[in-house]
Amino acid sequence: QVQLQESGPGLVKPSETLSLTCTVSGGSISGYYWTWIRQTPGKGLQWIGAIYSSGSTNYNPSLKSRVTMSIDTSVNQFSLNLNSVTAADTAVYYCAGHQGYQLSYWWFDPWGQGTLVTVSS
Amino acid sequence: SSELTQDPAVSVALGQTVRITCQGDSLRRYFPSWYQQKPGQAPLLVIYGKNYRPSGIPDRFSGSSSGNTASLTIAGAQAEDEADYYCNSRDSSGPNWVFGGGTKLTVL
Repeated sequence: QVQLQESGPGLVKPSETLSLTCTVSGGSISGYYWTWIRQTPGKGLQWIGAIYSSGSTNYNPSLKSRVTMSIDTSVNQFSLNLNSVTAADTAVYYCAGHQGYQLSYWWFDPWGQGTLVTVSS
Repeated sequence: SSELTQDPAVSVALGQTVRITCQGDSLRRYFPSWYQQKPGQAPLLVIYGKNYRPSGIPDRFSGSSSGNTASLTIAGAQAEDEADYYCNSRDSSGPNWVFGGGTKLTVL
């Protein structure tokens, strides 16, 4: 059973870069898409972006200028960098598997437990 | 980008059937996925594609789509189904995935 675990600082200063890593266990990271999703306190979910094991990426247009994702298949990890953060980036950040079928439907499964990142000085 | 609209809150009597809806233009082209989220937990996939349930999801959960509206139906709602439910779909304009605002389900 594939499991995901986020890791990284829980506090980031305004204007700095938020950096998170997701470790995949119980299966290979190769041959699949992986995604980052965030949830602001008391609010809904926002897809941030996705990365394939080859390193190709897709980002949410609203965050594209500040997001970079990378992947290291040798250690079954993928990462998120979000630069120039503000208080509005305070959220629970989730990593998840991202699967699709014949350009007809997609789904996110499994999910990590999530990690709260607070942006504050 | 596309938007997905959900009713903020829905209630259902214990054991009755409830339908949670999601509206958006992208649903004319793509099937959605549905997620259940309980307080303090990560979202859990409950329905994806035309009407597929991951292993472990009870068969009282089902999905359907018509035009720009998708529905998640819970037949015989149980107390443990009380949660927030989110729909998600790919944006019609490109590789961007959009969530609905979520529906808080209360089981009375």
